[in-house]
Amino acid sequence: IAGITQAPTSQILAAGRRMTLRCTQDMRHNAMYWYRQDLGLGLRLIHYSNTAGTTGKGEVPDGYSVSRANTDDFPLTLASAVPSQTSVYFCASSALAGAGNEQFFGPGTRLTVL
Amino acid sequence: GQNIDQPTEMTATEGAIVQINCTYQTSGFNGLFWYQQHAGEAPTFLSYNVLDGLEEKGRFSSFLSRSKGYSYLLLKELQMKDSASYLCAVRDSNYQLIWGAGTKLIIKP
Repeated sequence: IAGITQAPTSQILAAGRRMTLRCTQDMRHNAMYWYRQDLGLGLRLIHYSNTAGTTGKGEVPDGYSVSRANTDDFPLTLASAVPSQTSVYFCASSALAGAGNEQFFGPGTRLTVL
Repeated sequence: GQNIDQPTEMTATEGAIVQINCTYQTSGFNGLFWYQQHAGEAPTFLSYNVLDGLEEKGRFSSFLSRSKGYSYLLLKELQMKDSASYLCAVRDSNYQLIWGAGTKLIIKP
C-alpha cells in the first residue's frame, strides 16, 4: 500500500441499503477526513478524525457515520442510502489536524444510489 | 456564512501565463491552499500560503492578501498537462478546510 486506498472504486446501490466505504492509509497520519464532491460544488466535509479514537462532524454529516478504531482505517457508513447521497467520495489524511498540514487524498469512490 | 469564490472556467494558450483568482469570506483564517485535480482523479496539493505575499514553486506561484481576502494562483509556461481543475481552500477558525467549487482550466494548443 502506498498512500491512501479506498474501496470500492465505484458502486451502484439500491436506496435503503446499508453501505460501508473503506479507507486505509499507510503514512501513519493522525488526521483523516471524508469529503463528498458534487458537480458545481466544492468538496464538502462529512466527518473527520483528528486522531485515533476520536471523530467529529463536518458540514454535511447527516445520514453518515464513521469510526476510527486505529490509525490506519477510517470507514464511512451510509446506514440507509438515499439518492441524494449519489456522489464521489474522497478520503483524505494529514500528518496533523492543523495549520499548514496538507491533506493527501485517496482515489475516490463513485457511488450511485438508485 | 462561509464562502469561497473562483471563476468556473478559464481558457488559455499553451506556453502562456494564466492567473486564477480566489476570494474568500470565512470565520477565521489559518492558511490558504491550492490543489490541482485532473478529471476523474483525486486532488493533489500545489501550494500553501499563511502570510501575505508570493510563494513561488517552479512554474506555479501563489499570492495571498489577508486584508483583501484574496489569493491567486499563477501558472507560467502553460503545458497541455496543466488542463485540470484548480481548487482553492481556506482553513477556518476550527481548522477545517472550506473549499471553493474549483476553476476548470482549458489549455489550447
